[in-house]
Amino acid sequence: DTGVSQNPRHKITKRGQNVTFRCDPISEHNRLYWYRQTLGQGPEFLTYFQNEAQLEKSRLLSDRFSAERPKGSFSTLEIQRTEQGDSAMYLCASSLLQAEQYFGPGTRLTVT
Amino acid sequence: QKEVEQDPGPLSVPEGAIVSLNCTYSNSAFQYFMWYRQYSRKGPELLMYTYSSGNKEDGRFTAQVDKSSKYISLFIRDSQPSDSATYLCAIVKTGGFKTIFGAGTRLFVKA
Repeated sequence: DTGVSQNPRHKITKRGQNVTFRCDPISEHNRLYWYRQTLGQGPEFLTYFQNEAQLEKSRLLSDRFSAERPKGSFSTLEIQRTEQGDSAMYLCASSLLQAEQYFGPGTRLTVT
Repeated sequence: QKEVEQDPGPLSVPEGAIVSLNCTYSNSAFQYFMWYRQYSRKGPELLMYTYSSGNKEDGRFTAQVDKSSKYISLFIRDSQPSDSATYLCAIVKTGGFKTIFGAGTRLFVKA
């Protein structure tokens, strides 16, 4: 399967712990996006990479959140000192064209 | 005021009906207009996108953009139970990278 993959698919963690999610984009895609989605809402933009450069970051992304895309390939999203409000689906998308984003299956985070 | 407004529904229609899904947006600087379909507990799936006012057709789906009214629509012809999902509109600003999604409309197509 050559689609976007995300790992893990589910993560349960205790408040205050750190978590890291991984996204593997479609191999030729230079654009990579992270979103957060809560129940009954559309995805909320978190950050955007073009190759390895992080070009845009939402104000939603507090200093507890950090994302990287070393060498312009896979990307990681880390949340430090998790809070219950961080519980959500974290989605990754990749694209060649800005309007043609292909999403992964998401990582569902539950903070207890 | 949200930049993109979308009625969350739910919208329930009989099989074979024509479905109309709509979004309004507030900023005339928006450039790309997309529609995604999302099944429960899955990632969104791109249906179609357009840059300009007018209609774009792909099979049973037609996307319509009216920039003068800041209004976008998705029409589904001959709806099927397998079309039951949440439909998300999404918009990108000119010169920007941030994609703004509507809240999604839940659609149920009854057999």
